[in-house]
Amino acid sequence: AQKVTQAQTEISVVEKEDVTLDCVYETRDTTYYLFWYKQPPSGELVFLIRRNSFDEQNEISGRYSWNFQKSTSSFNFTITASQVVDSAVYFCALSEVGDYKLSFGAGTTVTVRA
Amino acid sequence: KAGVTQTPRYLIKTRGQQVTLSCSPISGHRSVSWYQQTPGQGLQFLFEYFSETQRNKGNFPGRFSGRQFSNSRSEMNVSTLELGDSALYLCASGTLGGTEAFFGQGTRLTVV
Repeated sequence: AQKVTQAQTEISVVEKEDVTLDCVYETRDTTYYLFWYKQPPSGELVFLIRRNSFDEQNEISGRYSWNFQKSTSSFNFTITASQVVDSAVYFCALSEVGDYKLSFGAGTTVTVRA
Repeated sequence: KAGVTQTPRYLIKTRGQQVTLSCSPISGHRSVSWYQQTPGQGLQFLFEYFSETQRNKGNFPGRFSGRQFSNSRSEMNVSTLELGDSALYLCASGTLGGTEAFFGQGTRLTVV
């Protein structure tokens, strides 16, 4: 069974601060995908990033970066120089390769204050 | 390119009734999956359809069912509604062999 844990329930920061969201996962699969999604108040889940289990290279995409460590089953996500528009609920998710069945964490509510 | 479209956006039903929700995927996407989101249980996978066949099913009672049409549009049905079925129902679409799923804005169902 797959399990995703987001220990942080809420994070509140002042604009321009960096925000790091923690995600720990469990899976028996040797290959899998990890995702981060953002859910603004409108309700739609917006895809942010995806990482393959067989690629541990960490990357930066604009103000987003992620730290994938297979040895500790962690997939942390950082928003650099946060903005008010970043306020949303962020979900970490896991799926098998080729499978659209996503297992989501409980979500972390990020509030960015001006 | 249009995104995933879910209708209706809001729905109020009475206990015991049944409801049908609709999802139109992104053009060219043949996989459609459904999720239920509640404050208590979070986001839970309901089922996934690909080319009119159910490929995966989550741990939900038989009152929850779905289907997919030849044009990839999908519907989910909940019969004998219970108060606990009140939730945001999200639909997502994807391509064969694809990776990320793209979500619609959801249908918020309230059962009274």
